Amino acid sequence: GQQVMQIPQYQHVQEGEDFTTYCNSSTTLSNIQWYKQRPGGHPVFLIQLVKSGEVKKQKRLTFQFGEAKKNSSLHITATQTTDVGTYFCADQTGANNLFFGTGTRLTVIP
Amino acid sequence: ETGVTQSPTHLIKTRGQQVTLRCSSQSGHNTVSWYQQALGQGPQFIFQYYREEENGRGNFPPRFSGLQFPNYSSELNVNALELDDSALYLCASSPGTGPGETQYFGPGTRLLVL
Repeated sequence: GQQVMQIPQYQHVQEGEDFTTYCNSSTTLSNIQWYKQRPGGHPVFLIQLVKSGEVKKQKRLTFQFGEAKKNSSLHITATQTTDVGTYFCADQTGANNLFFGTGTRLTVIP
Repeated sequence: ETGVTQSPTHLIKTRGQQVTLRCSSQSGHNTVSWYQQALGQGPQFIFQYYREEENGRGNFPPRFSGLQFPNYSSELNVNALELDDSALYLCASSPGTGPGETQYFGPGTRLLVL
């Protein structure tokens, strides 16, 4: 079956450092969505990527979809303490079902 | 926030019992999906309802069942609870079922099975 792995599993950074999480799928991804989940919270939609090679930016966040649509990445420039949380990629399969990756938990040290 | 609410926020049950979790979607959202998130893992798709009909199901046994009502509310029922059912249960609503539709998650219900 489909597997969506994210690396790293955990990342500790000093505030101001950059952060990247990678999402790798065993099968071709349909549409990739990224979510952020704060500790004790629920997933919050960040962005969707649809096209091969697509790059989207949201302020300090840059999202990329691989050319083969089997991987994606999220890069945060100059992290802030508000960036703390777990970042999930999710493949949108079938009738709008989401297949979530394993997540990367980000800790930002002030 | 997302306009999606869930109740209760926390629940403790014992093994073998039955539980009903509730979700109120955004008005106008005809689709509701339920997910189970075990501690330290990503959410796993349980099933989806579209206009009161089941519209897809993940790898969960039949003791997980659901209902969707015309007033944009829905339920997740779990029978014969097992210890491994302890998790955060999330519902997410969206206007339809097409590709690219954003799902809006509720705050979740934390279920502990003892």
